Amino acid sequence: KNQVEQSPQSLIILEGKNCTLQCNYTVSPFSNLRWYKQDTGRGPVSLTIMTFSENTKSNGRYTATLDADTKQSSLHITASQLSDSASYICVVSGLYSSASKIIFGSGTRLSIRP
Amino acid sequence: DGGITQSPKYLFRKEGQNVTLSCEQNLNHDAMYWYRQDPGQGLRLIYYSQIVNDFQKGDIAEGYSVSREKKESFPLTVTSAQKNPTAFYLCASSGRGQGGSNQPQHFGDGTRLSIL
Repeated sequence: KNQVEQSPQSLIILEGKNCTLQCNYTVSPFSNLRWYKQDTGRGPVSLTIMTFSENTKSNGRYTATLDADTKQSSLHITASQLSDSASYICVVSGLYSSASKIIFGSGTRLSIRP
Repeated sequence: DGGITQSPKYLFRKEGQNVTLSCEQNLNHDAMYWYRQDPGQGLRLIYYSQIVNDFQKGDIAEGYSVSREKKESFPLTVTSAQKNPTAFYLCASSGRGQGGSNQPQHFGDGTRLSIL
């Protein structure tokens, strides 16, 4: 069964600190992986998308990594800000998948404390 | 600015009542999607449409219906057959050449549906 597991479920860090969120998946064959940021009461916003040939991709203070061999991805946030408080969702698509075969993780809830 | 507009932001449903959630996009995207989000769970696909006048069931279509009469609009009706409709509903869209036409790229800000 295709699955996407995210850890931790929730995380609290102090403003200015770095953190890393994890995403493990079993989707195969793999097409691409996206990270979304979802503020409370809002829709998700895409941060990065990576295909199997890409190891790392950055978007400002957000850096995503992908290891297609071990089926693991991480999202690293540098010098966190209060506005980074949100849920971060990992989404994995399989090759030749229809929309119904795109798997969403349940997200990591990140809270930044001043 | 281009984007997806969902309305209303909050909606309440009485027993036995059908309600319709609106989703409009001005991104000129061909594909549109409806997802349901429950606490502690990943988004689940209700319906999607890749072209006008055509749509497919997702993983949890029972108790829901959609129409796609215009490219810009993809309304979702939550029928009385949906016994547990309380959730956050998200509409999304995608265009060609953006990681695949079957993957949602842009999301609206959701409608929160509650039961009275």
